Amino acid sequence: AQKVTQAQTEISVVEKEDVTLDCVYETRDTTYYLFWYKQPPSGELVFLIRRNSFDEQNEISGRYSWNFQKSTSSFNFTITASQVVDSAVYFCALSATQGGSEKLVFGKGTKLTVNP
Amino acid sequence: DTEVTQTPKHLVMGMTNKKSLKCEQHMGHRAMYWYKQKAKKPPELMFVYSYEKLSINESVPSRFSPECPNSSLLNLHLHALQPEDSALYLCASSQVVKRKDRHYGYTFGSGTRLTVV
Repeated sequence: AQKVTQAQTEISVVEKEDVTLDCVYETRDTTYYLFWYKQPPSGELVFLIRRNSFDEQNEISGRYSWNFQKSTSSFNFTITASQVVDSAVYFCALSATQGGSEKLVFGKGTKLTVNP
Repeated sequence: DTEVTQTPKHLVMGMTNKKSLKCEQHMGHRAMYWYKQKAKKPPELMFVYSYEKLSINESVPSRFSPECPNSSLLNLHLHALQPEDSALYLCASSQVVKRKDRHYGYTFGSGTRLTVV
C-alpha cells in the first residue's frame, strides 16, 4: 500500500530561521512521483514541486530546496530564511496507481508557523 | 486557461436539501478528481473520473453522487447530507497518465466550503 508519513504535526520558528519539513513514503511502485503542496488559511492547495522517482537530484527554487533520498524513502523540504508569509500547512503527497488510474495520497501535513 | 474553477465558494445547506458542486477546467485534462478535506486533516480522495468514466470510488456514501457530463465539467450532487459532511471539497484535474515516466501533476481548484446544518 502507498503511504506518506509527515511525523512533524506542527513547527514554530522565528522569522529568518531555516526549517526542514520531513516526509517519508512507502510504495511498491518502481516509478512514482512525489509532490509538495502549501495550503494557506484560505484553503487552496498551492503546488510547490513534483519529483519523479528516477531523478534523485536535489532541487533549489529561491528559498526552497528539496532533498530526495530514495535509499531512505524520504523527500524533505527546507525553507531557508523563513518569512511570516511561509506560515501554512504543508503536505507531502505520493502518486499511486489504482485500477489503472492515478491518484494522490497525502501525508497528514505539517503546520508551519513563522513568528515575526 | 490554467485554472480549475469551483463554484460555489461557500455553501450552507440543510440536511433535507439537494445541492450540487461544480468544477470546470479548460486545460484539456481528461482525469478529474473530487477530494474531501475536514478541518486539520489532509485531503481524502472521493472519486476519480478518467475520460468521463468513473474509475475510482473510494467507498463514498451514496448521498454523494458524482457526474462528469463532458471532458471539462465535473459535478458533485449532494442529497440528505449530515452535519459531519461539512468540509472543504476540492476538485482537481490532470492529464491521464499513460506512461509511468510521464506525469504532469495535478491542478487543484480553490474548493467549496460546505456547511451542513
